[in-house]
Amino acid sequence: GESVGLHLPTLSVQEGDNSIINCAYSNSASDYFIWYKQESGKGPQFIIDIRSNMDKRQGQRVTVLLNKTVKHLSLQIAATQPGDSAVYFCAENRGNNRLAFGKGNQVVVIP
Amino acid sequence: DTAVSQTPKYLVTQMGNDKSIKCEQNLGHDTMYWYKQDSKKFLKIMFSYNNKELIINETVPNRFSPKSPDKAHLNLHINSLELGDSAVYFCASSPRAVRQETQYFGPGTRLLVL
Repeated sequence: GESVGLHLPTLSVQEGDNSIINCAYSNSASDYFIWYKQESGKGPQFIIDIRSNMDKRQGQRVTVLLNKTVKHLSLQIAATQPGDSAVYFCAENRGNNRLAFGKGNQVVVIP
Repeated sequence: DTAVSQTPKYLVTQMGNDKSIKCEQNLGHDTMYWYKQDSKKFLKIMFSYNNKELIINETVPNRFSPKSPDKAHLNLHINSLELGDSAVYFCASSPRAVRQETQYFGPGTRLLVL
């Protein structure tokens, strides 16, 4: 498949446990951040976003935390389910809606 | 279904050929994008069009030429294909080309150049 030989940072998590995925961004002027989920063979799917005037935002089972001081973003997934297995990307908006994506993180949920 | 759609899903071709990938969105968005995802899953923007006008053109070889016949369509034509062009190409759209707008991605076109 597409992931043969690919070595992404991988988080293995037991079903039902919480997952935390971290991301460092580079541009201190970026003011909008998005987390995307990409399942095998599919396009990136929007999960949650956060603007720079916030430090936390919650969705359904997901929470994004933003620390502008250290330019760090995290995604927390509560009660991880098998359907959460995917590659997760953070993206920062650098103006003109130019998204710069971070390196993906693979999440593997163990049933 | 409302979505961003791309054709073809798979494209296998020989080096030196010319090929096109098509993208359509029926979300009523003004802005469309092309991204390239390499074998390491790294996603990088290539082009962006707002209402048929080019607004982002990253450092992409001029063998790649986007064309937007209307704001619902953004096609990508690639001339003289090279081995390094093998990748997954994603189309995306957003309501407008402003700083804080979510982009919605299509399913991708998997290009393999032999």
